[in-house]
Amino acid sequence: DAGITQSPRHKVTETGTPVTLRCHQTENHRYMYWYRQDPGHGLRLIHYSYGVKDTDKGEVSDGYSVSRSKTEDFLLTLESATSSQTSVYFCASRQGREKLFFGSGTQLSVL
Amino acid sequence: GENVEQHPSTLSVQEGDSAVIKCTYSDSASNYFPWYKQELGKGPQLIIDIRSNVGEKKDQRIAVTLNKTAKHFSLHITETQPEDSAVYFCAASNFGNEKLTFGTGTRLTIIP
Repeated sequence: DAGITQSPRHKVTETGTPVTLRCHQTENHRYMYWYRQDPGHGLRLIHYSYGVKDTDKGEVSDGYSVSRSKTEDFLLTLESATSSQTSVYFCASRQGREKLFFGSGTQLSVL
Repeated sequence: GENVEQHPSTLSVQEGDSAVIKCTYSDSASNYFPWYKQELGKGPQLIIDIRSNVGEKKDQRIAVTLNKTAKHFSLHITETQPEDSAVYFCAASNFGNEKLTFGTGTRLTIIP
């Protein structure tokens, strides 16, 4: 497996609190992605990055922000968590335009 | 943008039988179609992919077929084994596009 680490693996938080999820990759991949996985919706793209400090929105970006200050790190922030953001979050990376490598996911519960 | 539909959402087959999962896509510009397998508690992993200049691709017990005219592509698993039990996702993208659009997933259960 590509070296993609997500932290934390599990998190429980309260509505209205800020939350930051971290993705770290050791493959020097150019592209990084944040997806959320929900029953009946599959994997939906939140934000992605095509280089350091270069990011763009995905299909479900409202309520989320990202930052990429180094090639290896891609942070996802929920500014004020809501119950609708309870989900499993996956980070992924790739160098070219083909194979996407996924992390093991973060289970986030917003109470 | 691209929209990918995947069917069925759940599929149970007897061990040794074949399983077929189907996807349709909406964007005629899409030309790259990967399939990912997600085992319990893990992230998805690429198992096979196909580009639009190819109609079929095989890798041992797994094959993918593509019908560009109908905008359909399918995953075929033959001689299914218990370790094939997982959630499978299809996806589509334009090769020049950084974004991959996924289907909603199929939970495949192999019955011993």
